[in-house]
Amino acid sequence: EPEVTQTPSHQVTQMGQEVILRCVPISNHLYFYWYRQILGQKVEFLVSFYNNEISEKSEIFDDQFSVERPDGSNFTLKIRSTKLEDSAMYFCASKGGGLYNEQFFGPGTRLTVL
Amino acid sequence: AQSVTQLDSHVSVSEGTPVLLRCNYSSSYSPSLFWYVQHPNKGLQLLLKYTSAATLVKGINGFEAEFKKSETSFHLTKPSAHMSDAAEYFCVVSDRGNQFYFGTGTSLTVIP
Repeated sequence: EPEVTQTPSHQVTQMGQEVILRCVPISNHLYFYWYRQILGQKVEFLVSFYNNEISEKSEIFDDQFSVERPDGSNFTLKIRSTKLEDSAMYFCASKGGGLYNEQFFGPGTRLTVL
Repeated sequence: AQSVTQLDSHVSVSEGTPVLLRCNYSSSYSPSLFWYVQHPNKGLQLLLKYTSAATLVKGINGFEAEFKKSETSFHLTKPSAHMSDAAEYFCVVSDRGNQFYFGTGTSLTVIP
């Protein structure tokens, strides 16, 4: 069964460093998403991506964040200068075409900023 | 505006007894509604979805949910809880099919 994969499973970084979180969505999907979940809190939408551009983004997704689909298979989230409050679980999701298709989620990357 | 309210942050049931996890939503459009489950240190797995077909939706692992438009609810039920059902459950609403709004989650504990 096809699945969304994410690497690494856990990333530890120093405050101010850049991190890149990687995702491989399901191959024939068209919509891609990033969410984050701070420990003990709800899952928060960050950004959606369609047709090689951002389609929607939340207030959380400020200039420190960027997304890219560099090679037609990977979908990356970059945080340019990490802050302590960026520590969270980051989930990637993908969705096929059609109005009501569900999202398929990856297992997540736990980011710890020290 | 779209939003989801999960009325209980934590539910505890005995093994073999029914499970009820409550979800209310608000949406400006005809919504799609989903329940996802998250086991510890795992990703989110789809349990079931409502997309304007039958109002009673059956999902995996014996779960089902009923869409009640008059009550703006989409409660998740299971007749008999199993130990493996212990997890975090998220109700999600989508209106235009692209953006998804999560509830705050309900943690289900199953007592042996």
